[in-house]
Amino acid sequence: GDSVTQMEGPVTLSEEAFLTINCTYTATGYPSLFWYVQYPGEGLQLLLKATKADDKGSNKGFEATYRKETTSFHLEKGSVQVSDSAVYFCALTGANNLFFGTGTRLTVIP
Amino acid sequence: GAVVSQHPSRVICKSGTSVKIECRSLDFQATTMFWYRQFPKQSLMLMATSNEGSKATYEQGVEKDKFLINHASLTLSTLTVTSAHPEDSSFYICSARGSGGGERSGYTFGSGTRLTVV
Repeated sequence: GDSVTQMEGPVTLSEEAFLTINCTYTATGYPSLFWYVQYPGEGLQLLLKATKADDKGSNKGFEATYRKETTSFHLEKGSVQVSDSAVYFCALTGANNLFFGTGTRLTVIP
Repeated sequence: GAVVSQHPSRVICKSGTSVKIECRSLDFQATTMFWYRQFPKQSLMLMATSNEGSKATYEQGVEKDKFLINHASLTLSTLTVTSAHPEDSSFYICSARGSGGGERSGYTFGSGTRLTVV
């Protein structure tokens, strides 16, 4: 079945450090891939998405590229800020739903 | 853009009482709504999927008599936790999906409801 495997956290970085959160997936067909962000006490917000192989999603300095050959969708940001502290979820579209990874908690310290 | 309003954001109730959580799509018609439960420091667990005017489809292990879902209109779905107990304390999040193209056909999430049963 469809599934998402996400790098376990927590991840703690200093401000301006480089961020990578790994995400790999298993799916039948050609799913769309997403990264969602959840700030403390809030719901999920779509951060970026990619709908087909080699697409790059980007938003707020974050990027992720849909790699079909490695079934990956790793999230990257060149220089993190304290305000990026949140939980990040990788997800893919199933037949009628989204499948989520377990989430990675990121803490950025000044 | 597509907006989903969920309330209340926080609720505390006594054990044995029922709690209703509302999820509204504000600027689009949500043909499908999803209800998730999130335990502390864990991912989202899909509880049920509902299509407007139809009975909800529950995931395995979710008690349909305990978690009542109503999707009576294209802009409103409700989740009622009946006879709540402390183990039902959790963060509940709804998601709505519209039809057609564009942003409304994606998944838009509510801001979540923190339920505490005492």
